[in-house]
Amino acid sequence: AQSVTQPDIHITVSEGASLELRCNYSYGATPYLFWYVQSPGQGLQLLLKYFSGDTLVQGIKGFEAEFKRSQSSFNLRKPSVHWSDAAEYFCAVGAADSSYKLIFGSGTRLLVRP
Amino acid sequence: DAGVIQSPRHEVTEMGQEVTLRCKPISGHDYLFWYRQTMMRGLELLIYFNNNVPIDDSGMPEDRFSAKMPNASFSTLKIQPSEPRDSAVYFCASSLTGLRGYTFGSGTRLTVV
Repeated sequence: AQSVTQPDIHITVSEGASLELRCNYSYGATPYLFWYVQSPGQGLQLLLKYFSGDTLVQGIKGFEAEFKRSQSSFNLRKPSVHWSDAAEYFCAVGAADSSYKLIFGSGTRLLVRP
Repeated sequence: DAGVIQSPRHEVTEMGQEVTLRCKPISGHDYLFWYRQTMMRGLELLIYFNNNVPIDDSGMPEDRFSAKMPNASFSTLKIQPSEPRDSAVYFCASSLTGLRGYTFGSGTRLTVV
């Protein structure tokens, strides 16, 4: 069965520092992978997605993620965090069958120190 | 395009009352999904439709929950009777090209008191 693990419940970084949020997945085939961001009281906004090809994908707001098949990981990175990046981040894996269901991780809450 | 539209944005109801959440998918999208977000369980898929037909409702927590999609532009999620443990944010999402075109609505925050 598919599953997604985000091992960090909370992460605190200083503004301007680099960021890496971890995501590990379990899936039998090549996964479709996503990162979403959710600000307080808001919906889910897609940051980036990986389907195939280049394993380093660029997203919005200066985020990028790297797919590492050997490690079953899809970590999210940003070189310099802004205070507005404080939010909850969700990694998700999509079923590559006909269902198009998304399985979400439990989320990582990012706090940004001034 | 207005995106996926959910209503109401917030709903407060008393235990035992019927609650109906509404969703208008993006025009032309043939998949519609209902997700629920809680602190304890995170984001979980409740049910999804393809061409207005329910395909997988294995995530629906119990018989108090029901969902319908009478046409391609409208879906409802109904809880009857509602209980405090149903308090959550309910998201609707729609898709045209499978996972590549997945779009979420802004959600409905339900509070059952």
